[in-house]
Amino acid sequence: EAGVAQSPRYKIIEKRQSVAFWCNPISGHATLYWYQQILGQGPKLLIQFQNNGVVDDSQLPKDRFSAERLKGVDSTLKIQPAKLEDSAVYLCASSFQGDYGYTFGSGTRLTVV
Amino acid sequence: ELKVEQNPLFLSMQEGKNYTIYCNYSTTSDRLYWYRQDPGKSLESLFVLLSNGAVKQEGRLMASLDTKARLSTLHITAAVHDLSATYFCAVDIYTGNQFYFGTGTSLTVIP
Repeated sequence: EAGVAQSPRYKIIEKRQSVAFWCNPISGHATLYWYQQILGQGPKLLIQFQNNGVVDDSQLPKDRFSAERLKGVDSTLKIQPAKLEDSAVYLCASSFQGDYGYTFGSGTRLTVV
Repeated sequence: ELKVEQNPLFLSMQEGKNYTIYCNYSTTSDRLYWYRQDPGKSLESLFVLLSNGAVKQEGRLMASLDTKARLSTLHITAAVHDLSATYFCAVDIYTGNQFYFGTGTSLTVIP
């Protein structure tokens, strides 16, 4: 089966600019997650979707981050405006309901300068 | 506040040696996962531990879970260079399949 697809792989922007990341989960996976991984740290959950509804966004900095999952398939994560501390790898993951664990995409490495 | 701590954070070991990575977590959970991450790559699932006393083995790696002690271990036997990577444990606190990751252990196996 095809894996979790993310794009772009790399992005460099200046602070205060905006940026968007895209994720296409594995077909049939109802649950989708966005994680932020800062260099040298473990991934931190930003938001979890079940189909097109938000299950948990308690750790999403909502003043600058937003995410949507229209039609319950693809998802986009947006940052506006970006700060230097947003430099990280943004990982998307998906899981099939009832399964344990999930599959991660290859990530988008964001550098804010 | 939930804490998932791994130690050591950095581990340099010679080929052929054995070592154990520890993962402690601060709240009740009976589901724990181990992932491997190579530099610049995404996370690869290694083990899924779903109950107290669970033990899983794959090649030179063996993982175990003690839910009463809130502790999981990842044991490396006769290390080889290919095992060099960062290893993360992740705890599933809620039944919603939501992971909280540890700090990671960067393993370097020296020939």
